[in-house]
Amino acid sequence: NAGVTQTPKFQVLKTGQSMTLQCAQDMNHEYMSWYRQDPGMGLRLIHYSVGAGITDQGEVPNGYNVSRSTTEDFPLRLLSAAPSQTSVYFCASRLRGVDTYNEQFFGPGTRLTVL
Amino acid sequence: DAKTTQPNSMESNEEEPVHLPCNHSTISGTDYIHWYRQLPSQGPEYVIHGLTSNVNNRMASLAIAEDRKSSTLILHRATLRDAAVYYCILKWNYGGSQGNLIFGKGTKLSVKP
Repeated sequence: NAGVTQTPKFQVLKTGQSMTLQCAQDMNHEYMSWYRQDPGMGLRLIHYSVGAGITDQGEVPNGYNVSRSTTEDFPLRLLSAAPSQTSVYFCASRLRGVDTYNEQFFGPGTRLTVL
Repeated sequence: DAKTTQPNSMESNEEEPVHLPCNHSTISGTDYIHWYRQLPSQGPEYVIHGLTSNVNNRMASLAIAEDRKSSTLILHRATLRDAAVYYCILKWNYGGSQGNLIFGKGTKLSVKP
């Protein structure tokens, strides 16, 4: 298993540009989510999905869109990049479970700079 | 929401045990206690979790106070590779019964050779 993969690893954008951060997992996980991490901070939840076709907002959703057309993929779209979106972005996934504990798996991150 | 309190940073010597504390005085009866760590320039990774009883796995041990208001992550013999930020997390949130982890700032562990 490749686990959770993210592309690109690094990206530089100009203010106002749009782009899509890719995330894929090969573990057949129902739950997928996007976090951002600013310097010296913990991770903050942007959007999440509990299954194909279902998405919802997390703590800091403004300026980002997501969709989930397949179980494997969960892309994050920046509509009009702003310097405040300069951050490291992590994608995560886990099995859906109610009675059992399921650890969350994280991708290696995408480091985004908006000039 | 239940909150956790961790020291900002700790230091350890290589091959010595490390005890990373976490206070969670407002924990509810159904909250798991999760520990994740983040190595430099990597995504977080799972370390251990527990509910009421002490837990051991190949990476670490988790000691949970009887009243569950605090817990301690124990690394039995720290290595240089254990230098990371360690997050003590209570809450799954957003998305139903388990949802997504809510991260604080964690404890930055430095390991000296």
